[in-house]
Amino acid sequence: DAGVTQSPTHLIKTRGQQVTLRCSPKSGHDTVSWYQQALGQGPQFIFQYYEEEERQRGNFPDRFSGHQFPNYSSELNVNALLLGDSALYLCASSLGLAGLSGANVLTFGAGSRLTVL
Amino acid sequence: AQTVTQSQPEMSVQEAETVTLSCTYDTSESDYYLFWYKQPPSRQMILVIRQEAYKQQNATENRFSVNFQKAAKSFSLKISDSQLGDAAMYFCADLPSPYKYIFGTGTRLKVLA
Repeated sequence: DAGVTQSPTHLIKTRGQQVTLRCSPKSGHDTVSWYQQALGQGPQFIFQYYEEEERQRGNFPDRFSGHQFPNYSSELNVNALLLGDSALYLCASSLGLAGLSGANVLTFGAGSRLTVL
Repeated sequence: AQTVTQSQPEMSVQEAETVTLSCTYDTSESDYYLFWYKQPPSRQMILVIRQEAYKQQNATENRFSVNFQKAAKSFSLKISDSQLGDAAMYFCADLPSPYKYIFGTGTRLKVLA
């Protein structure tokens, strides 16, 4: 049973560029959340997608956007990259919306390590 | 903003011994969930244990148990009979409202042979 898969695993970009990260949720899961984990920090919530809609958003600028496809996979897009966007980006999936009874356990992928030069 | 605090950046434990990792949170919600996740060098976060706030009984999963003190907003993780494979970053997390986990800054656990 495949877990959460993310691609690419590592990538390097320069300031001002745009990046797209991809995530396939665990089989049977329909909700995808994205987190940013800066070096030495805990993950910070970016947003969550359910039924192809953004349901909740953390404190991140509009440069961060996402999409969920009918097959539940998701993309995270970051425009106009800044040095401070360098981080590990984690995708997590769940069944239903995180927070509702029985649906609050996240399954994480191994992340995409983004370096902005 | 709600926060989760892990005051121990790093802890060490001898193999087969017991270690306790500390966590405090500040949610004002009446119903919430608390979690401990483990992040090994492979980077993938793995659920260790979960506690539902309305349950007074402390959660236990094999060698892992929690001490949940609701009034003090404290949620510590005890690892018994520590093994080399337990070495990792441990993150405490709070789910005070739908959709959004709040993670602490983590505690790096070293297990000494």
